[in-house]
Amino acid sequence: KAGVTQTPRYLIKTRGQQVTLSCSPISGHRSVSWYQQTPGQGLQFLFEYFSETQRNKGNFPGRFSGRQFSNSRSEMNVSTLELGDSALYLCASSLQGGSNTGELFFGEGSRLTVL
Amino acid sequence: QQQVKQSPQSLIVQKGGISIINCAYENTAFDYFPWYQQFPGKGPALLIAIRPDVSEKKEGRFTISFNKSAKQFSLHIMDSQPGDSATYFCAASRNQFYFGTGTSLTVIP
Repeated sequence: KAGVTQTPRYLIKTRGQQVTLSCSPISGHRSVSWYQQTPGQGLQFLFEYFSETQRNKGNFPGRFSGRQFSNSRSEMNVSTLELGDSALYLCASSLQGGSNTGELFFGEGSRLTVL
Repeated sequence: QQQVKQSPQSLIVQKGGISIINCAYENTAFDYFPWYQQFPGKGPALLIAIRPDVSEKKEGRFTISFNKSAKQFSLHIMDSQPGDSATYFCAASRNQFYFGTGTSLTVIP
């Protein structure tokens, strides 16, 4: 069974640009959530999608947005990039999300560098 | 405000020793407390988890101790091995996961 796939794995952007990251969840998983990982901050929750609807949202500015498609694949977009957006962006899938099923399955992440 | 506080930030343990990582939370509504292990270049992977109706859970060399009244939980790694060297994250959840800031564990031979 294929795991969570994130693309691209690495990317470099400049301030003011925008970026789109993609996540393909494990087959059958309907929930996709996104996290930002930075040294010293751990994993910060961005948002969760379930059946194409945003179910939860973290405390990030509106420059961060996402969506989920009917096949459960998800994308997140960051507009007007800032230096502080440099981070590893992790996608996680689960069967139903929340704490009902417990386990989050993470991808290997997309490492974004903003110059 | 950090919902889950984790310590220490880094830990060095001799092979065969016990590694202990601690976490504290504020929200008593949390109902699921997992620990994730992350190796360099990889995403975090579930190591062990506990729900608040039990005080301890053991899986092999890994044990979670849970103190509901103190709102604390900890991960104990017995007989630590160099292969355990990784970053460990605690988390607490109720509909949304809140992660600690991580502990970098190094087990030296």
